[in-house]
Amino acid sequence: DARVTQTPRHKVTEMGQEVTMRCQPILGHNTVFWYRQTMMQGLELLAYFRNRAPLDDSGMPKDRFSAEMPDATLATLKIQPSEPRDSAVYFCASGLGPPTGRGISYNEQFFGPGTRLTVL
Amino acid sequence: TQLLEQSPQFLSIQEGENLTVYCNSSSVFSSLQWYRQEPGEGPVLLVTVVTGGEVKKLKRLTFQFGDARKDSSLHITAAQPGDTGLYLCAGAGVTGGGNKLTFGTGTQLKVEL
Repeated sequence: DARVTQTPRHKVTEMGQEVTMRCQPILGHNTVFWYRQTMMQGLELLAYFRNRAPLDDSGMPKDRFSAEMPDATLATLKIQPSEPRDSAVYFCASGLGPPTGRGISYNEQFFGPGTRLTVL
Repeated sequence: TQLLEQSPQFLSIQEGENLTVYCNSSSVFSSLQWYRQEPGEGPVLLVTVVTGGEVKKLKRLTFQFGDARKDSSLHITAAQPGDTGLYLCAGAGVTGGGNKLTFGTGTQLKVEL
């Protein structure tokens, strides 16, 4: 059945190392979201894409984080250099939104299983 | 910034009890969704409410959207251990932005035998 996949499921790295997380959205979905979840801050939106174009990345620290969609079947979130405060679970979600990026969509967001990142 | 506060933050009850979770904001939302998240997984959508005052039922779960579309509640009747999980409300803004959601602070529910 159709589901969002994320790799890796777990990642332990040392401070200063580059981390790349990957997401395969559900085929046919035109919107992809990256979230970060921690106990203290809850679920925070980092960035999202519509038809592979970035619509909003205001939640993402620009100096070290970058998000891209090389093609419709792959979204990446990269952290360089990583820091201990980046330790969290990172979720990717996909859904169907208005094709132009305007208007309101009540459609469901389908979440992947997450990548648990630990930066030592 | 639109904030969604949920209460209670934690809830531990016995099987068969009823409970209500609240989701409150000072902002108006065009729609509000409730998700449930289990350990090691991502959130899964339970319901979407769109109209102020709307009530939706999903088996033993009843969802209500406030008249002013600023708040919502989730009521569970006769809770079961399978209801255990993190419940998240999420609101979509009225000013556009496609389906960008603001998630609430979460309510961790544990239902014991």
